[in-house]
Amino acid sequence: DTGVSQNPRHKITKRGQNVTFRCDPISEHNRLYWYRQTLGQGPEFLTYFQNEAQLEKSRLLSDRFSAERPKGSFSTLEIQRTEQGDSAMYLCASSLEALMNTEAFFGQGTRLTVV
Amino acid sequence: DAKTTQPPSMDCAEGRAANLPCNHSTISGNEYVYWYRQIHSQGPQYIIHGLKNNETNEMASLIITEDRKSSTLILPHATLRDTAVYYCIVRTRSSNTGKLIFGQGTTLQVKP
Repeated sequence: DTGVSQNPRHKITKRGQNVTFRCDPISEHNRLYWYRQTLGQGPEFLTYFQNEAQLEKSRLLSDRFSAERPKGSFSTLEIQRTEQGDSAMYLCASSLEALMNTEAFFGQGTRLTVV
Repeated sequence: DAKTTQPPSMDCAEGRAANLPCNHSTISGNEYVYWYRQIHSQGPQYIIHGLKNNETNEMASLIITEDRKSSTLILPHATLRDTAVYYCIVRTRSSNTGKLIFGQGTTLQVKP
């Protein structure tokens, strides 16, 4: 399967702990996006990378959140000192940016529950 | 990017056509209409997009009105597997980020 892969699929953590999620995009895609989705809402944009450069961060991305994409391949999203409000589905998507943006392909998401 | 308005929910009988409307009255000339859907507990899936002409692919058809202020996504023969939240998104193809701005979408329930 050459789609977008996210790990883990589910994560339960205690408040105050740090968590890290991984996203493996489609191999030739140079753009990678992170979104967050809470129950009953559409996904909300968090940040995106073009190759290894993080080019935009949403105001939703507080200082406790950090994302990396070393070598322009896989990406990690870390949340430090988790809070109950961080409970959500975290979605990763990738696309190929050429002259025009192509469609984004999403992974299955990582569902985070903070207890 | 222009905002869109969709009904919160719709029902459709299995085997019948599902017609999902979307209003985007503030759309500008270089903005495309995209449709994604999200089946429960999965990531969003791209369906189709268009600028001003009607479009069809193996999944659906997209009908855009002549003034481009509204569009309809048509699933010609809905199945139970088409039960999902459908998102209509308007954005330029050449946007710097390529990010998608999702609304709350339309929850389509296909019933046997």
